Amino acid sequence: EAGVVQSPRYKIIEKKQPVAFWCNPISGHNTLYWYRQNLGQGPELLIRYENEEAVDDSQLPKDRFSAERLKGVDSTLKIQPAELGDSAVYLCASSFNRGLDGETQYFGPGTRLLVL
Amino acid sequence: KNEVEQSPQNLTAQEGEFITINCSYSVGISALHWLQQHPGGGIVSLFMLSSGKKKHGRLIATINIQEKHSSLHITASHPRDSAVYICAAMNRDDKIIFGKGTRLHILP
Repeated sequence: EAGVVQSPRYKIIEKKQPVAFWCNPISGHNTLYWYRQNLGQGPELLIRYENEEAVDDSQLPKDRFSAERLKGVDSTLKIQPAELGDSAVYLCASSFNRGLDGETQYFGPGTRLLVL
Repeated sequence: KNEVEQSPQNLTAQEGEFITINCSYSVGISALHWLQQHPGGGIVSLFMLSSGKKKHGRLIATINIQEKHSSLHITASHPRDSAVYICAAMNRDDKIIFGKGTRLHILP
């Protein structure tokens, strides 16, 4: 079974340019997460989707970040315009059917963004 | 103070040693995850715990809800176990709070 797929794997852009990341979750997983991970730090949740609904976007910087999950499957995360501090690894994860005691998340390989 | 604290931050050990990584949290949780991240960034979910103990191969995870503490143990450690191990707690508002990770290096 294919895991979580992300693209691109690497992206280098100049500041003030837009950038978009794509995620294809594991088939059948209804929950999708976008995380940002800075060097030497743990992942930080940006947004969580249940199917096509964003159920937690409280930590998404809404002035420049946006995300969508049309049809409740693939998702895109966009930054416009990018700033130097946005350089990080952007991780996508998916899981199935949130239960009362949580669920196992499966992570993609991440997109490593460098803003110059 | 972080709501999820891991110790140690860095750990170097010889192959074959028994490894323990600790995680303490200050919030009420519904579940706790242990994740493994290898150089290059790939993250693997090792365990999800809400009580007691789980074992998979050479890995053992325990959690004490009363003490708000979890441990990850590696028996007969091997150089391929070298990675960053991250503890993540899901609080009762369904938010996931990550520790900063423990960088483990096993020497051959």
